[in-house]
Amino acid sequence: DTGVSQNPRHKITKRGQNVTFRCDPISEHNRLYWYRQTLGQGPEFLTYFQNEAQLEKSRLLSDRFSAERPKGSFSTLEIQRTEQGDSAMYLCASSSRSGFGANVLTFGAGSRLTVL
Amino acid sequence: EDKVVQSPLSLVVHEGDTVTLNCSYEVTNFRSLLWYKQEKKAPTFLFMLTSSGIEKKSGRLSSILDKKELFSILNITATQTGDSAIYLCAVPLGGNEKLTFGTGTRLTIIP
Repeated sequence: DTGVSQNPRHKITKRGQNVTFRCDPISEHNRLYWYRQTLGQGPEFLTYFQNEAQLEKSRLLSDRFSAERPKGSFSTLEIQRTEQGDSAMYLCASSSRSGFGANVLTFGAGSRLTVL
Repeated sequence: EDKVVQSPLSLVVHEGDTVTLNCSYEVTNFRSLLWYKQEKKAPTFLFMLTSSGIEKKSGRLSSILDKKELFSILNITATQTGDSAIYLCAVPLGGNEKLTFGTGTRLTIIP
């Protein structure tokens, strides 16, 4: 297992375009989280899945943001009609509910979005 | 409102120095506090603390929690340039272990 994988690692887009990020969590982890991190700030929670069910969404997640985890494995985060304020690092994390390291989030390397 | 506050925001020291990073919290239904190290990419897990007064140690890094005064410290002794990173403190909220992070402490080690 190679940990949490995210792609693309970098995305530059023009304002108004749609972008999609993918996250492949650690295979045995049933919990998956999306965070956003801007310069000088800690990661901010966006949304959380347990298996395929999206159980919580932050108020930060506007209607332009949507996340899915269709088969309880990988997840996608889509941003429609991007704005310059969406420029940030989008981090995915996963965790297991049991076993060694239970409830400890393992993060991916992130997808950096730049909106011009 | 739940919050996690880290200090200092940034710290520059010489290689070999010892540093202490601070994290204070105000959280309802506190269960644990986690420390992460973030270099240029993914935050990597360092420690999870649940009990007051019990030091967690890994090499030159150690951490302790004070649940009465609502803070934790992360100590790094004999610092090396590879310790340069942002150190994040986080507390899980709610039943899904969603983490609330502090703003982090940016540590720079000068050779």
